[in-house]
Amino acid sequence: DAGVTQSPTHLIKTRGQHVTLRCSPISGHKSVSWYQQVLGQGPQFIFQYYEKEERGRGNFPDRFSARQFPNYSSELNVNALLLGDSALYLCASRIKDNTEAFFGQGTRLTVV
Amino acid sequence: AQSVTQLDSQVPVFEEAPVELRCNYSSSVSVYLFWYVQYPNQGLQLLLKYLSGSTLVKGINGFEAEFNKSQTSFHLRKPSVHISDTAEYFCAVSPNAGNMLTFGGGTRLMVKP
Repeated sequence: DAGVTQSPTHLIKTRGQHVTLRCSPISGHKSVSWYQQVLGQGPQFIFQYYEKEERGRGNFPDRFSARQFPNYSSELNVNALLLGDSALYLCASRIKDNTEAFFGQGTRLTVV
Repeated sequence: AQSVTQLDSQVPVFEEAPVELRCNYSSSVSVYLFWYVQYPNQGLQLLLKYLSGSTLVKGINGFEAEFNKSQTSFHLRKPSVHISDTAEYFCAVSPNAGNMLTFGGGTRLMVKP
């Protein structure tokens, strides 16, 4: 079975631009979470979605938004990119709430 | 609010030696505890988790961890490390069984021949 897949794997954007990152959960998984991992730090929780509804939001500005589609895939959108948004963005899926999270390999975003 | 402190940013150790990676947490509610491993340019892989029951938890690749409620610790141990264990290790807590994880800053385990 395929694991959590994220696209693209790498991305370079300019300050002020907008970016969309995509995540496909493991088949049968209905919950998706997003994390930001800045170089040299642990991941930080951004959003959680379950059955297309937002179930949790971390301490991130409104420039960050996400959604989950009927097929349970998800997008993370970041507007007005800042240099500090450069990070590895990780997606995790789980079968349902309160079960083990499985992580994808991440999207490396570089803002120049 | 919850927080996780990993006391060592780097731990160098020789191959076949034992290792302990330290993790302390703080939380105003009961938490579930996790250890994840991250190999270079990869995502996170779950090593082990404590949800309830026995405080000694065994995970994959020969790792184990002990939950100590009075000391709010969840240290990770392995009796004999291999070169392939070289990676970044993250301790995490959650108010439920895996949602909205709060991670520590990570410990880089460097296994030397």
